[in-house]
Amino acid sequence: GENVEQHPSTLSVQEGDSAVIKCTYSDSASNYFPWYKQELGKGPQLIIDIRSNVGEKKDQRIAVTLNKTAKHFSLHITETQPEDSAVYFCAASTAFNDYKLSFGAGTTVTVRA
Amino acid sequence: DAGITQSPRHKVTETGTPVTLRCHQTENHRYMYWYRQDPGHGLRLIHYSYGVKDTDKGEVSDGYSVSRSKTEDFLLTLESATSSQTSVYFCATGTSGGYNEQFFGPGTRLTVL
Repeated sequence: GENVEQHPSTLSVQEGDSAVIKCTYSDSASNYFPWYKQELGKGPQLIIDIRSNVGEKKDQRIAVTLNKTAKHFSLHITETQPEDSAVYFCAASTAFNDYKLSFGAGTTVTVRA
Repeated sequence: DAGITQSPRHKVTETGTPVTLRCHQTENHRYMYWYRQDPGHGLRLIHYSYGVKDTDKGEVSDGYSVSRSKTEDFLLTLESATSSQTSVYFCATGTSGGYNEQFFGPGTRLTVL
């Protein structure tokens, strides 16, 4: 089955700096890659997603890039703010696996004021 | 949380006892999922449902069963709880099984002593 690895496990950045989280996947058939943000005591919430026919997608301060050849994708957060402090999960899925999501282990991001 | 509630929110039980967790949604979403979240493992799919009385296994289904008799309710049962099932359990819903957002509930923290 799909194996998604996520790095780093923790990330501390100064407010205003950028944060980058990287994920790799094993199943070359995977074609959907969402990112979820989980705030303390809450369930995860989708913040951005990308499909395999797109190399990059942006939404305000958040962007995701995908390299299908290398089988890795990344989340970029620019101009970080205290409210960006949370746990971030990457995931991957494919139609051949009934679109079931395989999640990475998560990255705890702390934005220092 | 897209109209998703989970009950109970916290539970402490003893090894060998049966436990049932309930997920209730008001969004009329077709798909429902049960995940467990453990440090270092991210979110792992236990079981999911693609319609009333239609369920299938996820990657960590051993020791768990599910039932869905109504669109709005998805039950997760631990027939005989073990300490390895101590975890935070999340229910999620989705409009379809494809490239669509999953909406997560607030979670249930289960401790098996």
